[in-house]
Amino acid sequence: DIVMTQSPDSLAVSLGERATINCKSSQSVLSSSNNKNFLAWYQQKPGQPPNLLISWASTRDAGVPDRFSGSGSGTDFTLTISSLQAEDVAVYYCQQYYNSPTFGQGTKVEIK
Amino acid sequence: QVQLVQSGAEVKKPGASVKVSCRASGYTFTVYGIHWVRQAPGQRLEWMGLINAANDNTRYSQKFQGRLTFTRDTSASTAYMELSSLTSEDTAVCYCARAQGSGSYLIDYWGQGTLVIVSS
Repeated sequence: DIVMTQSPDSLAVSLGERATINCKSSQSVLSSSNNKNFLAWYQQKPGQPPNLLISWASTRDAGVPDRFSGSGSGTDFTLTISSLQAEDVAVYYCQQYYNSPTFGQGTKVEIK
Repeated sequence: QVQLVQSGAEVKKPGASVKVSCRASGYTFTVYGIHWVRQAPGQRLEWMGLINAANDNTRYSQKFQGRLTFTRDTSASTAYMELSSLTSEDTAVCYCARAQGSGSYLIDYWGQGTLVIVSS
């Protein structure tokens, strides 16, 4: 299985400031057949299921605010929240879907 | 809109089996697959497997081989997950989730989750 490792485990950011979450995969999730990274980001609020934010490493899902952006390729990826809002408090997970899906351990984002 | 509605919480004794249902609406059931993912307390999300709702093909995580069964009823747009030989380590919230294609590993919509508690 591909192991997904996120950093940090938690972070506290002031309202309006930038939050950055990193995700590293134990092997590349970049497909040579379509040149796409099989990497998604999800947001999970307490008591709720995960919600898809970004697929293919950088494509925002419909309705996701543009303050959320994804970047990276191969084995190293980043989720950035450009200006943290109160409603962004959640745990964020990366997931590879290159083969049998695996998830990172999650990063808890809080307000400083 | 796409909705996945799961059955209610279950409490089971060790050694028993549990069956969770997932009723889909808002899309054509047989065009997409259904994943099952669980989350034990304080643990990361764990993929259990996938059923292709069109042709009933299944793929199971090796971790659960032999005690996990996925089925589906296309007339009711419902998928089922049955896990047998339960132990306390199976205590978790189980989610069904839609694959973005019939066999895609990308998940786009999730059910609300079903809490499974295994306790003597």
